Amino acid sequence: DAGVTQSPTHLIKTRGQQVTLRCSPISGHKSVSWYQQVLGQGPQFIFQYYEKEERGRGNFPDRFSARQFPNYSSELNVNALLLGDSALYLCASSNRDSSRVVFFGSGTQLSVL
Amino acid sequence: DQQVKQNSPSLSVQEGRISILNCDYTNSMFDYFLWYKKYPAEGPTFLISISSIKDKNEDGRFTVFLNKSAKHLSLHIVPSQPGDSAVYFCAASARYNNNDMRFGAGTRLTVKP
Repeated sequence: DAGVTQSPTHLIKTRGQQVTLRCSPISGHKSVSWYQQVLGQGPQFIFQYYEKEERGRGNFPDRFSARQFPNYSSELNVNALLLGDSALYLCASSNRDSSRVVFFGSGTQLSVL
Repeated sequence: DQQVKQNSPSLSVQEGRISILNCDYTNSMFDYFLWYKKYPAEGPTFLISISSIKDKNEDGRFTVFLNKSAKHLSLHIVPSQPGDSAVYFCAASARYNNNDMRFGAGTRLTVKP
């Protein structure tokens, strides 16, 4: 079975641009979460979606938004990119809204120049 | 606010010996704790978890110990193998907000042959 898949794997953008990152959860998983990992730090929670509804939001500005589609895949959008948005963006899935364990994809490495 | 702390950025052990990775937390509402390991260019992989109702959980070579009074947990790997060389993240969540998992900054474990 395929794990969590994310695309693209790498991305280079310039300040002020907008970016869309994509995630497909493990088959059968209905919950998707997004995390940002800055170099030298642990992942930081951005959003969780379950059955297309936002279930949680971390401490990130409104420039960050996400959505989940009927097939449970998800997109993370970041507008007006800043240099500080350069990070590894990780998507994770779980089979239930209340699941305490999530399974991560390999991430999208975003570089903002 | 760093609610989960891994104070050792790196640890080096000899193959066959025990590896002990430590983690401290400050939020007394955390009731579920996890360890993930991460290889370069891959996403974090779930390793083992423990609920706050237990003080020990074992899975093969991996054992997690939880000391609630000290707000401290540790991961023991015995015997350590070169393939265990990776970055290990401690994570925690609270039942009232279980989708917001907080991670430590990670400890890089190197197991020398």
